[in-house]
Amino acid sequence: ETGVTQTPRHLVMGMTNKKSLKCEQHLGHNAMYWYKQSAKKPLELMFVYSLEERVENNSVPSRFSPECPNSSHLFLHLHTLQPEDSALYLCASSPGDRDGYTFGSGTRLTVV
Amino acid sequence: DQQVKQNSPSLSVQEGRISILNCDYTNSMFDYFLWYKKYPAEGPTFLISISSIKDKNEDGRFTVFLNKSAKHLSLHIVPSQPGDSAVYFCAASAAGGTSYGKLTFGQGTILTVHP
Repeated sequence: ETGVTQTPRHLVMGMTNKKSLKCEQHLGHNAMYWYKQSAKKPLELMFVYSLEERVENNSVPSRFSPECPNSSHLFLHLHTLQPEDSALYLCASSPGDRDGYTFGSGTRLTVV
Repeated sequence: DQQVKQNSPSLSVQEGRISILNCDYTNSMFDYFLWYKKYPAEGPTFLISISSIKDKNEDGRFTVFLNKSAKHLSLHIVPSQPGDSAVYFCAASAAGGTSYGKLTFGQGTILTVHP
């Protein structure tokens, strides 16, 4: 257990479904991130929350919607996804120290 | 435009030998570089880092070398052990501004160490 917990670990959803991914950290970190890992591609930064500032990657489709209700929790709301959105979604947190990135184990998402 | 590139998708090494993983970057604003290791079904874990003011950083069996003029870094593992078999990600960060706290990753290299 790294201190960053992601649920669920696996998710299969249809293209018309709405689901949410959850990330929780109790490390006292003030920044949280969503990354997407597709096969043979780099980890792609999707969203950053830092000190209540959201930095949004402009290439992220609106069918992905993040929510950060407090410094310990981060959600990724999913709706009307496409099969190409199937990937491993990783949450990370950091205290601002670039060595201090801590990743969760990820949610393996399959869109059918 | 991929700013961090790991051009070798995989590397196979015999136990006890040296493993060398390579990474190239294009963004001159990057000033801090990291290597992460990832086992299946787990998230990446931090391995070693290097600041742009250095050209080498060593931690046990792991050494990272940075060649700023070539925009190239490498991770050396010696001696390699079967437990080192994992995916290795190179990452880079630029200081200040809106790049605070954000890491840009390469696509990873799968290292297999054979007994």
